[in-house]
Amino acid sequence: QKEVEQNSGPLSVPEGAIASLNCTYSDRGSQSFFWYRQYSGKSPELIMFIYSNGDKEDGRFTAQLNKASQYVSLLIRDSQPSDSATYLCAVLSEPNTGNQFYFGTGTSLTVIP
Amino acid sequence: GAGVSQSPRYKVAKRGQDVALRCDPISGHVSLFWYQQALGQGPEFLTYFQNEAQLDKSGLPSDRFFAERPEGSVSTLKIQRTQQEDSAVYLCASSLFLRGETQYFGPGTRLLVL
Repeated sequence: QKEVEQNSGPLSVPEGAIASLNCTYSDRGSQSFFWYRQYSGKSPELIMFIYSNGDKEDGRFTAQLNKASQYVSLLIRDSQPSDSATYLCAVLSEPNTGNQFYFGTGTSLTVIP
Repeated sequence: GAGVSQSPRYKVAKRGQDVALRCDPISGHVSLFWYQQALGQGPEFLTYFQNEAQLDKSGLPSDRFFAERPEGSVSTLKIQRTQQEDSAVYLCASSLFLRGETQYFGPGTRLLVL
């Protein structure tokens, strides 16, 4: 079982709609959760991070964390064509030997004008 | 510098050749991570440095892979006797924080082993 699971998509939404991206993780002790955006041929860039249960909003983006369900999501409001990219969920795990970031395989999002 | 830089950006190697990939993190960043990203996959953790100390190398796929960061700044990932399955994008990321939160990624090195 992979540490971090994401629906690979592709997910298509019309411009102006809400895009909902989901992620589950297996390590119940994980403390920190991140969403990255990766355009084709480019490196990942951090969108948001969340540490506590509940919602965290930043502009058009809202991250939601439910540690009991081991579930983290990203909502993109008023989706724009420029939001079309692959969205990677990442989880920070801290085994005794150090830190490891586990990434999901990513969800491909297409926003249709 | 303004961001994380990596060199070379592209590398074509013959099977069996040794390669060295360089990462220049953002100045002052204590944490440095190496990842391997295959096409259509998310980045896979390889190794992690806190300053010059390599605290976790459990993600290195074989003993052909070796990483160092001798002065706590620039890091080099070396792959010996490259194999075709080593073909991937190798990403370096750095963070100001000890635990590696808020990582900034470099552009990556695209390695193709023929």
